[in-house]
Amino acid sequence: DAKTTQPTSMDCAEGRAANLPCNHSTISGNEYVYWYRQIHSQGPQYIIHGLKNNETNEMASLIITEDRKSSTLILPHATLRDTAVYYCIVRVEGYSTLTFGKGTMLLVSP
Amino acid sequence: GAVVSQHPSRVICKSGTSVKIECRSLDFQATTMFWYRQFPKQSLMLMATSNEGSKATYEQGVEKDKFLINHASLTLSTLTVTSAHPEDSSFYICSARGQRGNQETQYFGPGTRLLVL
Repeated sequence: DAKTTQPTSMDCAEGRAANLPCNHSTISGNEYVYWYRQIHSQGPQYIIHGLKNNETNEMASLIITEDRKSSTLILPHATLRDTAVYYCIVRVEGYSTLTFGKGTMLLVSP
Repeated sequence: GAVVSQHPSRVICKSGTSVKIECRSLDFQATTMFWYRQFPKQSLMLMATSNEGSKATYEQGVEKDKFLINHASLTLSTLTVTSAHPEDSSFYICSARGQRGNQETQYFGPGTRLLVL
């Protein structure tokens, strides 16, 4: 699976949009971009995934660049409960395991 | 609501004893289950992958005789930490993958915190 690079940490004010970047320059054509988050002392929570089109669900939006070498997870109105470590993972859907890197620690402040 | 449960949520045991952790998929059949371990301030590390009815595949460096995995049904997998020692103290997280609705899905349990004294 392709490797991903994320900033170590980010800050966001409550109510503002949180934009979390991820680089995956070696992504293959059949690899999806997945986002999970882990709130302290809990198991990871699935957020969203996509192949090449932008995706949106009730939690977030995923913007994938046209060359698919990077993506951005957008939390449109961050709340204090969104404070967590966010993991960007690239893998072939239905195959292979989810390999977690260090992720981005997002701190949402009042 | 939760789609993958783990039991117990936390356990404290004496060194040398064995501890069993259960992982259940609640509303879908998990063809594959994964067990991860997470030490403080570190990321999740995959320990093993198991498919229902077959032996688990362990990652390099994980002792299969120490971490016994059973995936006897499509909704239940168990991890038994045998002869636990203080260095086995960690956060153990299971994950279940299968068809939920019309989508292949992978969800994680809430984790089990193990403390070996």
